[in-house]
This record gives sequence, structure tokens and C-alpha cells, in this order.
Amino acid sequence: DTGVSQNPRHKITKRGQNVTFRCDPISEHNRLYWYRQTLGQGPEFLTYFQNEAQLEKSRLLSDRFSAERPKGSFSTLEIQRTEQGDSAMYLCASSVSSGEQYFGPGTRLTVT
Amino acid sequence: DQQVKQNSPSLSVQEGRISILNCDYTNSMFDYFLWYKKYPAEGPTFLISISSIKDKNEDGRFTVFLNKSAKHLSLHIVPSQPGDSAVYFCAATGGTYKYIFGTGTRLKVLA
Repeated sequence: DTGVSQNPRHKITKRGQNVTFRCDPISEHNRLYWYRQTLGQGPEFLTYFQNEAQLEKSRLLSDRFSAERPKGSFSTLEIQRTEQGDSAMYLCASSVSSGEQYFGPGTRLTVT
Repeated sequence: DQQVKQNSPSLSVQEGRISILNCDYTNSMFDYFLWYKKYPAEGPTFLISISSIKDKNEDGRFTVFLNKSAKHLSLHIVPSQPGDSAVYFCAATGGTYKYIFGTGTRLKVLA
């Protein structure tokens, strides 16, 4: 399967713990995006990488959130000191230049 | 401020009939629009897109219409099939990589 993959698919954590999610984009895609989706809403943009450079961060991304794409391939999204309000589906997408974005299956985070 | 709105949270259609999903936007800088389909426990899947220089784009059973003056787009599915049952999101972008999504419409195609 050459689509976007995300791991883990589900994560349950206790409030205050740190979590890290991984995204592997489609191999030839140089652009990578993170979105967050809560119940009844569409995906909301979090951050964007072109190759290894993080070019934009949404104001939704508090300083507890950090994302990296160290070699311009896979990306990680870390949330420190998780809060119940962080519970959501975290979606990764990738694209070639300005083409359509292709989404992974998402990581569902539940903070108890 | 919801820049992309899907005012119908759900829609039921009989198999074989036409499904029409609507989307309105407020930002006149948007120049590229997309529809995504989402099944439970999966990420959104790209369906069809349209540039603001066109008013219609067709791909098989799916057609997207864009009315720039009304800031409105619609997705037509003809004929509707039970496998089309999913949540449909419209998204818009204005010369950037950032997609703004609507809240989705849940389509149920009844056999």
C-alpha cells in the first residue's frame, strides 16, 4: 500500500502525559500537513511542511504541540502535558506541490 | 468564523436517484474547491475538485458545480449507490496549501 500511513491508529492516555504520533507520507510527496478533527467538525489545519521546513503553524497549535519532519520524509507530532481538550482525530496528509492532499487514516487520541 | 459552510448535516436519498450536496463559502479569495468523502475509521478521500476559472467539472458519476457570484458549490452524484453512503466534506483554498473544510454532510443512500 503506497498511501499515507499513520501510527498508532488509536492512543489512550492520561491527562498530563506526553504522546507522539507518526505520519509516513506518500514517498514522492514533498508537502506534508497535519490536521485535527473533532466530532461534528471538518478537519482543521494545524501545520504544514515543505520538505523538512515547517512553513506554517496554526494558532490552534499551542506551545504544547510540536511537529517535526527531520529528513523531509516521515513526520512526528508530539503533544506534551495532554489535556482532555486534546482528544480528537489527528490527520496527516501529503501532496505534490499544490496538488490535492491525500489523507492518512488518522490517529484517534483519547485523553482521560 | 466559518468560512466554508455545509448547512445540511444529513441527507437521505433512494438508490438510483440523484444526491445533491451543497456548500457555501464566504471568502472571495478562495479559488480552488474540493470534495472529500469520509468513511468511519478512515481518513478523508479526495473525490473531485474545481478551479474558480470553471463552473463545472465532471468525473464519472460525480459532478461539481461552482457558482462564484453566489459563492456556492454543489456536488451531484448520479446515480446514487449504497456505497456512496459516507460523510462528504467540501474544502476551499485561496492560492495556498491550507484547506478550509466545512462541517460535513452525512449522506445515506437507501437500497
